[in-house]
Amino acid sequence: DGGITQSPKYLFRKEGQNVTLSCEQNLNHDAMYWYRQDPGQGLRLIYYSQIVNDFQKGDIAEGYSVSREKKESFPLTVTSAQKNPTAFYLCASPPPGWGGVTEAFFGQGTRLTVV
Amino acid sequence: RKEVEQDPGPFNVPEGATVAFNCTYSNSASQSFFWYRQDCRKEPKLLMSVYSSGNEDGRFTAQLNRASQYISLLIRDSKLSDSATYLCVVIAYSGAGSYQLTFGKGTKLSVIP
Repeated sequence: DGGITQSPKYLFRKEGQNVTLSCEQNLNHDAMYWYRQDPGQGLRLIYYSQIVNDFQKGDIAEGYSVSREKKESFPLTVTSAQKNPTAFYLCASPPPGWGGVTEAFFGQGTRLTVV
Repeated sequence: RKEVEQDPGPFNVPEGATVAFNCTYSNSASQSFFWYRQDCRKEPKLLMSVYSSGNEDGRFTAQLNRASQYISLLIRDSKLSDSATYLCVVIAYSGAGSYQLTFGKGTKLSVIP
């Protein structure tokens, strides 16, 4: 079955450490996105990639880095420069806008907590 | 003006009520429209796509108005289990074969016994 897999589901990080969140998709989609969600807040765009080996900053890219070496994978690194990294992180990989879709194009999310 | 705007709510309605949400978008190149439902601390899940002709799925009706650039979601006979945040999602063509995905911030619905 095609889908988007995020791992791990829960992640704990010590202050000052970098951590990498995984997002893998087997949908053969070109676009992949990373969002951050804080409690009671909407989704905010961190980075996105429309094609392999290319990515752009979103609204809140500071303190984060990404790579897109393969179509299937778009890992997000939360660096020590991110002042408040505790949040719920969502990866999305939508199809091109050719009309309605029946599958949901989100991963299950990673909840990152700084301890 | 924000690209995709939703009334954040919360909408507090009694069971059995009918409730409607609107979402406006500013990009006229927008092509695909969706309503997602997000429960607390969970990922968003697709509720329904929105078609120009309007579409219905049980108690839920979605409509698109391209001229006025908004989509709507109507929930009839609200159930307690409908309590969630409803996200409007828009995909727009951004040139060179690429598409841009944009979310509204969500509208929170609480259905009260």
